Amino acid sequence: EIVLTQSPATLSLSPGERATLSCRASQNIITYLAWYQQKPGQAPRLLFYDTFSRATGIPTRFSGSGSGTDFTLTISSLEPEDFAVYYCQHRISWPLTFGGGTKVEI
Amino acid sequence: EVQLLESGGALVQPGGSLRLSCAASGFTFSSNAMSWVRQAPGRGLEWVSTITDGGTTKYAESVKGRFTISRDNSKSTLFLQMNSLRAEDTAIYYCAKVLPDWYFDVWGRGTLVTVSS
Repeated sequence: EIVLTQSPATLSLSPGERATLSCRASQNIITYLAWYQQKPGQAPRLLFYDTFSRATGIPTRFSGSGSGTDFTLTISSLEPEDFAVYYCQHRISWPLTFGGGTKVEI
Repeated sequence: EVQLLESGGALVQPGGSLRLSCAASGFTFSSNAMSWVRQAPGRGLEWVSTITDGGTTKYAESVKGRFTISRDNSKSTLFLQMNSLRAEDTAIYYCAKVLPDWYFDVWGRGTLVTVSS
């Protein structure tokens, strides 16, 4: 089973600041990684798939990068609605697994 | 509009059974793989099971042999039969539409399963 480790667990920032979230895989997953955003009381929302491909309706201030075992989700300038928990997920093999999440808080 | 609506969550005793349903609309259900993903209270996301459009099934080790995923394409409905339930199965269960490359692009609002005596 591939383990995804997200860091930091919590990121305390202010609106307008840049957020950099990390996801590290225990094995090479090439670029087969997705990112999701989850707000309190809501279902997750797909942000990126295959590392770089932005899902429908996702603002351009969000960007995904990385390959192999190290991946990054960057939010260039935080908007109030971006404060949430972010999860990564791989799809290279079964079982599909998620990272433990990074909470972006004010 | 693509929509997924889960139902069937409840309070159940350890060792009991429950059947979850997910009604889909707004897309060609029969052509898509579907999954269940769960989230224990205050915890992260855990993939539970996937069924392909052809009916092939996959399960997490934690539920294998206890849970069964199935689908009724005539009713655009996904199911999860859960037997021998344990306290650690307590979670919100989300139904999710699966992209061809095994990512989850549409999620329902979830249904809460609580396993407790």
